[in-house]
Amino acid sequence: EVQLVESGGGLIQPGGSLRLSCAASGFTVSSNYMSWVRQAPGKGLEWVSVIYSGGSTYYADSVKGRFTISRDNSKNTLYLQMNSLRAEDTAVYYCARTSRDGYNYYWGQGTLVTVSS
Amino acid sequence: DIQMTQSPSTLSASVGDRVTITCRASQSISSWLAWYQQKPGKAPKLLIYKASSLESGVPSRFSGSGSGTEFTLTISSLQPDDFATYYCQQYNSYSPFTFGPGTKVDIK
Repeated sequence: EVQLVESGGGLIQPGGSLRLSCAASGFTVSSNYMSWVRQAPGKGLEWVSVIYSGGSTYYADSVKGRFTISRDNSKNTLYLQMNSLRAEDTAVYYCARTSRDGYNYYWGQGTLVTVSS
Repeated sequence: DIQMTQSPSTLSASVGDRVTITCRASQSISSWLAWYQQKPGKAPKLLIYKASSLESGVPSRFSGSGSGTEFTLTISSLQPDDFATYYCQQYNSYSPFTFGPGTKVDIK
């Protein structure tokens, strides 16, 4: 059974760093495209980043230079390293298994990141 | 960047109604469009990909159409489980994979 379980969210002060994890089961992360999508409280969905099976990575302009997507093949886990966090980064962060075309066909349950002093 | 708009932002409907949601892209995205359903507190669920392909397991009352810049999601006969927010997403290119602002379907 395919499963994605995010973790690592929490309350962090502005300017701080946090690393989100997305543990996958039922498929191999490194053979797939994987994405992070976020949703601020009461708002819509915002695409954050994608990593291709070949290792290429892409980011939304709003997080470029601050966030880094990566994976650990031995742990079959996707990561999002978030640095220089801002209040506007407050959101539920979802990881998703992404088709090679670009649509997200399986989602985790999400992890909440709150950036506040 | 490609911008996505949706209309209406909110739609009030009754069980059994035919419901249509429109999504427009700021430039042509061919058929590279997906539709998602999201219920409160839950992750989005893929309904439609490539504008009109029904994801496995999704009821056939959901259908998608369109190409280029204008797309529609139709629910042929609204069911109680369908009250939710619906988002379109373009994936014409990674730059970036933008979502529409969403359409909330609620009970009339």
